[in-house]
Amino acid sequence: QQQVKQSPQSLIVQKGGIPIINCAYENTAFDYFPWYQQFPGKGPALLIAIRPDVSEKKEGRFTISFNKSAKQFSLHIMDSQPGDSATYFCAARANFGNEKLTFGTGTRLTIIP
Amino acid sequence: NAGVMQNPRHLVRRRGQEARLRCSPMKGHSHVYWYRQLPEEGLKFMVYLQKENIIDESGMPKERFSAEFPKEGPSILRIQQVVRGDSAAYFCASSQIREVDYGYTFGSGTRLTVV
Repeated sequence: QQQVKQSPQSLIVQKGGIPIINCAYENTAFDYFPWYQQFPGKGPALLIAIRPDVSEKKEGRFTISFNKSAKQFSLHIMDSQPGDSATYFCAARANFGNEKLTFGTGTRLTIIP
Repeated sequence: NAGVMQNPRHLVRRRGQEARLRCSPMKGHSHVYWYRQLPEEGLKFMVYLQKENIIDESGMPKERFSAEFPKEGPSILRIQQVVRGDSAAYFCASSQIREVDYGYTFGSGTRLTVV
């Protein structure tokens, strides 16, 4: 099963809050899990990524939590700001030797002042 | 160091015409990927190319779509006899092989509208 399921579809959080976006997968061959941020009219930009041998990774205000046994991973944004308002995509790559990514359907995040 | 360059940014075609989308990878990158994004959806893989080779075209529709990455020049995604359902944003990405933990870099996309 190649799907990556992402939720919620949209999310509104007050400034300073911690939005959490969740993703789940079935394919145990996935070995690399990036998150992308996309602003309107732009291409997706890599935000942060994790491998299954690590349970958590932090980069600035962004944290990925990874639960290998549950095949789930999530993105947390600390101290969220209006500038974080964007669409966020989780993705996964299988360890087959090429870099093809399977994307979730995206979460439209709005941070209100 | 310029990023991934895609052109045109916007393309309008009438049904039945051909659409040609161009992608110049980042300097030093020899791997190119094309993805399609339908409105309110995630990106769907279409094709993965290296110079003069198609490595994986499992996401390409069987008819009307083709892609190439010649020895010289940009990668081209070609859609023949476009239909309304081809209206989407088409993104190109480039990478070096197995850039572990760096993912790859996307261009800003070409938004195709079929009228």
